This record gives sequence, C-alpha cells and structure tokens, in this order.
Amino acid sequence: NAGVTQTPKFRVLKTGQSMTLLCAQDMNHEYMYWYRQDPGMGLRLIHYSVGEGTTAKGEVPDGYNVSRLKKQNFLLGLESAAPSQTSVYFCASTPWGTSGANVLTFGAGSRLTVL
Amino acid sequence: GNSVTQMEGPVTLSEEAFLTINCTYTATGYPSLFWYVQYPGEGLQLLLKATKADDKGSNKGFEATYRKETTSFHLEKGSVQVSDSAVYFCALPSQSYNQGGKLIFGQGTELSVKP
Repeated sequence: NAGVTQTPKFRVLKTGQSMTLLCAQDMNHEYMYWYRQDPGMGLRLIHYSVGEGTTAKGEVPDGYNVSRLKKQNFLLGLESAAPSQTSVYFCASTPWGTSGANVLTFGAGSRLTVL
Repeated sequence: GNSVTQMEGPVTLSEEAFLTINCTYTATGYPSLFWYVQYPGEGLQLLLKATKADDKGSNKGFEATYRKETTSFHLEKGSVQVSDSAVYFCALPSQSYNQGGKLIFGQGTELSVKP
C-alpha cells in the first residue's frame, strides 16, 4: 500500500535553479493537489487537478507550474527558484464522489531549501 | 469562500491531562469539517470528520462535535498520551458545495505531551 509517494524528500537549490517535484499515487484517485506548509501559516494550496490532463490554480500559484499527463502522477515545477519558495511541499489526492470527497491522502512531504 | 480559525500553539500538557484545541469556522451552508494530524516527519492524516451539524466525529480517543450555533468544531481528548504529540489541523472545504477536495486548513496547533 504505497498510497501517495513524493520524490525527492529533500532538496537544496540555489536561487534561479529549476527543479521538479514528483507525486505518484496508486489509489486511482481523480483529484490531486500540491500544498506548501510554512510555520504559522498552515497549508496553502498551490495548484490542483481534477483529472488527467487538467490543472487549476490554487491560493498561491505564482512561481510554480504543474502537469498531470497521467492520472497517477502530478508534477510540481519551479522554473526559477527563489528563497521565498523554501518550504515543505505536500502532495495529496482524493477520489471523486461524495463518499470519499474531501478526505485527502497525503504524501510524506518534500523539504525544499532555496539558498 | 469559507474560512477557519484555529487556536494557536504550542500546547504543552502532562500525560493524562485533558486536551481542548479550539477551531471556529465561517461557511455558507453546512460543509463537512475535519481534523487532520501530522506526526513528526510525516504527512497529514485524517484524524476524524463530521459531515453534518450536530455530528460527533471520533477516533483514537479524540472527539469533535459539529456545532452550527457556535460555528465551532473543537477537538477534545480526555487523557492525552506522549504518543499524541503532533501538530493538529482543523480543515473544511474552501467552498461548501465543492466535491473536489480543496480543503483549507487552520494554521495548526502543536501539541507536546510530557511524561
């Protein structure tokens, strides 16, 4: 039961570098999300996807891009990293439908430091 | 959209003490309400939920009652253990009639239980 797997778990970048965080889920969930967690601010939604081939902006999308080419994968990209993007990033997924709606399954997180 | 306000931490208790973590919300209609827990080094996981007014969610000795009169969903536990040390997040859908997840989270309350 892998659930939601995030890679890498840790990464240090220099300002201006680019990178991609990968999220993979094996539960056949329709909806996937990327959140960032910062001290005292809870979790904030960056981007989300309601199905393969679709993406939408969340609360704090600037500086990030996403892609959902396959149903099981949701990629988060930073084109030009900035120190303000130092954070812990969480991917989550949920099945479509009322019974499972809103119960999110989270990955273990990816800690990103931008110097 | 909906919003949530959560009691600030950190909270430090002795083992077997009573725990209350306050959570109040603003929402249209009566959306489901959630408590998620994050143990050190892990992602968030669902602790309990309530899907309609006056419902009580419970799990692992924790309880929370959906109170529409006071727009609250306070988390309680009668006797905490060291293993309950974690960060607790109150959450609800960003829009009451959205079936697509998109939860909004409180800022989190860190609980530390001492032996």
